[in-house]
Amino acid sequence: EVQLVESGGGLVQPGGSLRLSCAASGFTFSSYWMTWVRQTPGKGLEWVANIKEDGSAKSYVDSVKGRFTISRDNTKNSLYLQMDSLRAEDTAAYYCTRGSGWTDYWGQGTLVTVSS
Amino acid sequence: EILLTQSPGTLSLSPGERATLSCRASQSVRSTNLAWYQQKPGQAPRLLIYGASTRATGIPDRFSGSGSGTDFTLTISRLEPEDFAVYFCQQYGSSPRTFGQGTNLEIK
Repeated sequence: EVQLVESGGGLVQPGGSLRLSCAASGFTFSSYWMTWVRQTPGKGLEWVANIKEDGSAKSYVDSVKGRFTISRDNTKNSLYLQMDSLRAEDTAAYYCTRGSGWTDYWGQGTLVTVSS
Repeated sequence: EILLTQSPGTLSLSPGERATLSCRASQSVRSTNLAWYQQKPGQAPRLLIYGASTRATGIPDRFSGSGSGTDFTLTISRLEPEDFAVYFCQQYGSSPRTFGQGTNLEIK
């Protein structure tokens, strides 16, 4: 059974940092692109970043470029999102998802709140 | 960036009825690279359709997708009680991938 389990969310002050993790199981992690998607009540779903199977290619939505870094460790079946210089508008539920185009499995999400 | 506009915002129907949800793109979606997702309260979205018309694994055949270019449709032929949820479309033909704002399918 495919499972994606996110962790690392929480409350952080504007300008602060958080590192999200996603533990993957039930499939060959190193064979799949992976994607982070976030969701807010106001803006809906937003694609944030994705990373190629071997980590050699990465893409970001413009609003997070230069602040967020996606990475992976295929030896640990784990996906990461390092989030720096956080802003109030980064407040959202962050989902780890499998795939690059359509995404066929989603984690349960981890909530990030940026507030003073 | 491709903007996706879903209509209607809310659709009120009864079980057994047919539902037709629309997703319109601001520019042509390359190679029918469009997906549909279903989301229930407190849950993550679930993939229903990709490639505009291919059902994902385990999705009942009452769900069907169609369209190309800028106009896409998700049809639920006969609504079951568990189908009442929010539905999102997503294009993945160009970067950044973008989502529609969702259609809330509610019980009438």
